[in-house]
Amino acid sequence: DTGVSQNPRHKITKRGQNVTFRCDPISEHNRLYWYRQTLGQGPEFLTYFQNEAQLEKSRLLSDRFSAERPKGSFSTLEIQRTEQGDSAMYLCASSFDRINSPLHFGNGTRLTVT
Amino acid sequence: AQSVTQLDSQVPVFEEAPVELRCNYSSSVSVYLFWYVQYPNQGLQLLLKYLSGSTLVKGINGFEAEFNKSQTSFHLRKPSVHISDTAEYFCAVSEGNAGNMLTFGGGTRLMVKP
Repeated sequence: DTGVSQNPRHKITKRGQNVTFRCDPISEHNRLYWYRQTLGQGPEFLTYFQNEAQLEKSRLLSDRFSAERPKGSFSTLEIQRTEQGDSAMYLCASSFDRINSPLHFGNGTRLTVT
Repeated sequence: AQSVTQLDSQVPVFEEAPVELRCNYSSSVSVYLFWYVQYPNQGLQLLLKYLSGSTLVKGINGFEAEFNKSQTSFHLRKPSVHISDTAEYFCAVSEGNAGNMLTFGGGTRLMVKP
């Protein structure tokens, strides 16, 4: 078990640019989640996948946010036309698809939009 | 909709003293409850979880929590803290649907002083 891996660890971008983050879940897990955490706040749910199917995406913050998990393994989160308010830590987690299976989190990608 | 409230944003405590971090939740259905810890520059790590059964739950690093349904609380306790317990602690609730989506509280920063 190598844990959930997220890349890059840090991303600095200029306002208006597009950014993409990658998450590699624990290999046995078929559920994958994306959360956003702003300074001094708890993580905020964005979206989740079961295998390659995106089962909940209504919490994505705007239509500038999108996520994919094309082969049911790694996932990407893309933010288009970034804004300064997008600056945050983006967390990925994975779990088994059993009810109440705990989530295992990666170390996150910290995005700074200048 | 479910929500989680952590009333204390910061809790300073001396080493070897006991500590309690408070968590209250609201939900219209039965819930599963979790405590996560986040050390600086790291991802969230599961401390303990309440799924069913005994209301007193023991977790890692000597922490325990008690589920109180009538008070809708899930307070975290440790009888004697160490400097290494300094971290951010998050309470979270899941209704067991929507893919085990977690709703987090705002976090409590535990600061252990020598």
